[in-house]
Amino acid sequence: DSGVTQTPKHLITATGQRVTLRCSPRSGDLSVYWYQQSLDQGLQFLIQYYNGEERAKGNILERFSAQQFPDLHSELNLSSLELGDSALYFCASSRGGRRSYNEQFFGPGTRLTVL
Amino acid sequence: AQSVTQPDIHITVSEGASLELRCNYSYGATPYLFWYVQSPGQGLQLLLKYFSGDTLVQGIKGFEAEFKRSQSSFNLRKPSVHWSDAAEYFCAVGARGGGGADGLTFGKGTHLIIQP
Repeated sequence: DSGVTQTPKHLITATGQRVTLRCSPRSGDLSVYWYQQSLDQGLQFLIQYYNGEERAKGNILERFSAQQFPDLHSELNLSSLELGDSALYFCASSRGGRRSYNEQFFGPGTRLTVL
Repeated sequence: AQSVTQPDIHITVSEGASLELRCNYSYGATPYLFWYVQSPGQGLQLLLKYFSGDTLVQGIKGFEAEFKRSQSSFNLRKPSVHWSDAAEYFCAVGARGGGGADGLTFGKGTHLIIQP
């Protein structure tokens, strides 16, 4: 158990809908990262938040957004869902200093199925 | 931008045999390097990491990896595999320096099959 929690474990929805995925980082971690894992694209970095502020963006679609709250939990919002958004979405956390690099610990993931 | 290549999509090894999984990276400087393992239906577990210093790093579950700057490689090894090692293995690169994206860049993964 990495200490990173994600809810829900599974989500089934229809095209055009909007969903919210939730992540709680390990105790003491300030950085949260979101990744998407799909068969075509593999594991891709979407976005990072550090202590409530967006820190880095990867291959995140405009239909997707995220935020990190004062208690450091994070939410990933996916809207106007398409079939191709079906994937496993991982959250990871790290200590996350501005000038230091720390390993990332991954949660169990949320499996999203868009029908 | 950095990239990671794991040339072997599948590898089959007999239980008790040695293992080497290959990883090559592309990055302008010395990156941060990681190996993660993913069992079916599970998240990613960190096996080991290289930040600096000794180029041979030890990880959990008896795994080790060697950073070779001249070959831009970070191959994962284990002297004797167990059936429980069957999983998907991912090599990842993190960029050094502040200001850039801190998200990891992953390889496509190597699926390890253990034969009895």
